[in-house]
Amino acid sequence: DVKVTQSSRYLVKRTGEKVFLECVQDMDHENMFWYRQDPGLGLRLIYFSYDVKMKEKGDIPEGYSVSREKKERFSLILESASTNQTSMYLCASTSPGRRTPSGRHTGELFFGEGSRLTVL
Amino acid sequence: QKEVEQNSGPLSVPEGAIASLNCTYSDRGSQSFFWYRQYSGKSPELIMSIYSNGDKEDGRFTAQLNKASQYVSLLIRDSQPSDSATYLCAVNSPTASKLTFGTGTRLQVTL
Repeated sequence: DVKVTQSSRYLVKRTGEKVFLECVQDMDHENMFWYRQDPGLGLRLIYFSYDVKMKEKGDIPEGYSVSREKKERFSLILESASTNQTSMYLCASTSPGRRTPSGRHTGELFFGEGSRLTVL
Repeated sequence: QKEVEQNSGPLSVPEGAIASLNCTYSDRGSQSFFWYRQYSGKSPELIMSIYSNGDKEDGRFTAQLNKASQYVSLLIRDSQPSDSATYLCAVNSPTASKLTFGTGTRLQVTL
């Protein structure tokens, strides 16, 4: 079974602090993603990565950065946490090798347990 | 217009009934469609994927896709209280290997 592990389930930080959220997957997946989930807004993509040292902005990258130094690890960084970054953060991974009948890549994401961040 | 739209619910169905969850999407080029189930306080888990028009059945779950009308639905037969959760529809962006999620429909199965 695919396992995606997020380092912290619950964090409480103060405004202005630097926050690191770590994610590790054990299935040699190329693609990794960071989402945040808020009531009424659903899952929104922050950043994703297709390979080591590669990163691409998602839909809401402002206030965040990421790091992917090793294939299995994808870190989300909040340089200066703000109260509007209080949220549930979900890491996910997938392999691009799975294809649909039409030849396109699928997006069967495997999620970690989530990290609930509160910024005071 | 949202890229992926779902009715937020709650959708309430009695135990043993059929629950019908719907999702519409805006990008006609979308190729892959998924239903994830998310229990309160937990992360989403994949329950169905569908890529071609028509129906796909897996146990009590049936996914239906109609690309011409740009909708995908999930039917849950013989609904159980354990099916009470939020169901997220996700659609693969054809321009990049990433998913766009709807906001989810909360399903309540009552005894």
